[in-house]
Amino acid sequence: DTAVSQTPKYLVTQMGNDKSIKCEQNLGHDTMYWYKQDSKKFLKIMFSYNNKELIINETVPNRFSPKSPDKAHLNLHINSLELGDSAVYFCASSQGARLSSEQYFGPGTRLTVT
Amino acid sequence: DAKTTQPTSMDCAEGRAANLPCNHSTISGNEYVYWYRQIHSQGPQYIIHGLKNNETNEMASLIITEDRKSSTLILPHATLRDTAVYYCIVRVVSFGNEKLTFGTGTRLTIIP
Repeated sequence: DTAVSQTPKYLVTQMGNDKSIKCEQNLGHDTMYWYKQDSKKFLKIMFSYNNKELIINETVPNRFSPKSPDKAHLNLHINSLELGDSAVYFCASSQGARLSSEQYFGPGTRLTVT
Repeated sequence: DAKTTQPTSMDCAEGRAANLPCNHSTISGNEYVYWYRQIHSQGPQYIIHGLKNNETNEMASLIITEDRKSSTLILPHATLRDTAVYYCIVRVVSFGNEKLTFGTGTRLTIIP
């Protein structure tokens, strides 16, 4: 059973489109995250939700809107996609927002904007 | 924010111990050192973390110097599956919440 799953695995779309990436965790964790890994392989946190409440927002453009319908899901919606949005997006989860809690990462979604 | 410095790349022979160094000279007294790794095209994987004492689990050992300004991750018997990018991270506080800040990491290649 996959602990943290993401769909789709690959997403190719054109500039200006709106797209969503879904994330689900079956670990019973209460905190979920979105990370972005760019072409240079830098991995940066974008958002963090604890019990469906936003706790970290790393100055991400407001075209990116995370939505957490429940503790097990954290979806990422992106409006008006731009070339610079091309990256691999990772979802992660942990029990608690403290760093003493290890984070479990999903397999990633490779987004390509043309 | 405490920053970390790691070598860009390292090689290790299969079956030998892989020792990955990390410098974090500006670490604060209550900041933890974390290690994650990322195998090609996969999500990062937690390895181990520690504060002051050395730590060991089924994957690795973490040796932290007494002054806490540096640490070493040890994979005791490296296998080809340990080829990955290894990230040394210290805690960063953001508006009262904690986040992981990944650096460039060390690309470890296990040689058959």
